[in-house]
Amino acid sequence: DVKVTQSSRYLVKRTGEKVFLECVQDMDHENMFWYRQDPGLGLRLIYFSYDVKMKEKGDIPEGYSVSREKKERFSLILESASTNQTSMYLCASSSPFPWSSYEQYFGPGTRLTVT
Amino acid sequence: QQPVQSPQAVILREGEDAVINCSSSKALYSVHWYRQKHGEAPVFLMILLKGGEQKGHEKISASFNEKKQQSSLYLTASQLSYSGTYFCGTANSNYQLIWGAGTKLIIKP
Repeated sequence: DVKVTQSSRYLVKRTGEKVFLECVQDMDHENMFWYRQDPGLGLRLIYFSYDVKMKEKGDIPEGYSVSREKKERFSLILESASTNQTSMYLCASSSPFPWSSYEQYFGPGTRLTVT
Repeated sequence: QQPVQSPQAVILREGEDAVINCSSSKALYSVHWYRQKHGEAPVFLMILLKGGEQKGHEKISASFNEKKQQSSLYLTASQLSYSGTYFCGTANSNYQLIWGAGTKLIIKP
C-alpha cells in the first residue's frame, strides 16, 4: 500500500517561530509537492521538487522554503511563521514528468495554527 | 488561472445522479479529478488526457471537451460513500496543475 506520511497532523506555533513540516514517501517517486489548502481557494502550490536537491517555486512561495536532501523526504520550512500562514498543508508525490499525466498521492495533511 | 468548478455544493438523496463541471480559460493538456473526505487526504479518481486517454476509477465516468476547455464528472446512482469535496486540477502546456476551489457533495440516505 503506497504511503505519503507527514510529521504532524496538528501543530500550534507562535508568530516568528521557525517551523519545519516534513513529508516522507515510500513509492520512489521523483516528484514531490507542497500545497496549502484554504476554504474556498482549493489547493495552491507552494513549491515542488523533481529530483534530489532540485526545487521550483509554485504559485505562493513567499515566506516558505523547502529542502530535499533525500529522494523520499521533502521538507517545508516557514522561516518566520505569521498568522496568515495558518492553514492546512498537504504534501504529495507523483511519477516523473510530465506530472500532469500521473496521479498524485497525498499525505494526510498538517493543520498548522500560528498564534 | 484557477479553473471554475460548478456547482459549489450539491445535496442528493442516495441513488440520485450528479454532474460536477470544471472549466478553464486556457487550453488544457489534462484534467485530474480527486475526492477529499472531511479530515482526510485527497484521493485520486481519474485523469483525462488530451487526445482521449483516460485513467482511473471504474465506477465513475468523466468527459473532457478540449475545444470548450472543460470537463465533467458523472456520479451515477450515488452512494453515501460518495460524499466529500471533489476537486478538479487542470494542466496546460507548462504541465503544472492548477486546482479548482472544490464542489461539496452531500449524500443523504
